[in-house]
Amino acid sequence: NAGVTQTPKFRILKIGQSMTLQCAQDMNHNYMYWYRQDPGMGLKLIYYSVGAGITDKGEVPNGYNVSRSTTEDFPLRLELAAPSQTSVYFCASCVSNQPQHFGDGTRLSIL
Amino acid sequence: RKEVEQDPGPFNVPEGATVAFNCTYSNSASQSFFWYRQDCRKEPKLLMSVYSSGNEDGRFTAQLNRASQYISLLIRDSKLSDSATYLCVVNSPGTYKYIFGTGTRLKVLA
Repeated sequence: NAGVTQTPKFRILKIGQSMTLQCAQDMNHNYMYWYRQDPGMGLKLIYYSVGAGITDKGEVPNGYNVSRSTTEDFPLRLELAAPSQTSVYFCASCVSNQPQHFGDGTRLSIL
Repeated sequence: RKEVEQDPGPFNVPEGATVAFNCTYSNSASQSFFWYRQDCRKEPKLLMSVYSSGNEDGRFTAQLNRASQYISLLIRDSKLSDSATYLCVVNSPGTYKYIFGTGTRLKVLA
């Protein structure tokens, strides 16, 4: 099993560009999450989903959008990239009350 | 009070030492507790779940104290490779969310 797969691993964007961070899991987990982690800081929840067709905002959703059309995929969309969105983005998945499994992360720089 | 609090450290300990970290949580209804390890510029990886009766995995022991609302992680015979940030994670009751502590940095010195 691949677990949680995130693509791309690295990306540099210009201010105002848009992009989609991909996240896929092959463990048939219902719950999926997007976090961002700024240097030296903790994880902040951006969006999460408890199943296909269901998404909800986390702590820092502004500037991001998500969709969950299938159980496996949970893409994160940045519409108008801003320097404040420079961060490392982690996707995670789990089943209820069980530990989350994380992807390798996407390192995003916006210049 | 923060939902989950950890001493950020760093804890600098010599190889072979025993070190312990605590993590306090604010919601007494929380039921799921985990310790994760995060290496620099890497993703968090599950170290161990924390069970009510306490549990051990090799050199690592996790304890839960519901009365005082904290969990602990004890590392015996520290290795250089144990150097990392240790994250405490607690479920947020009534939601599908997990609350992450900001982590405790451990540096094991030769």
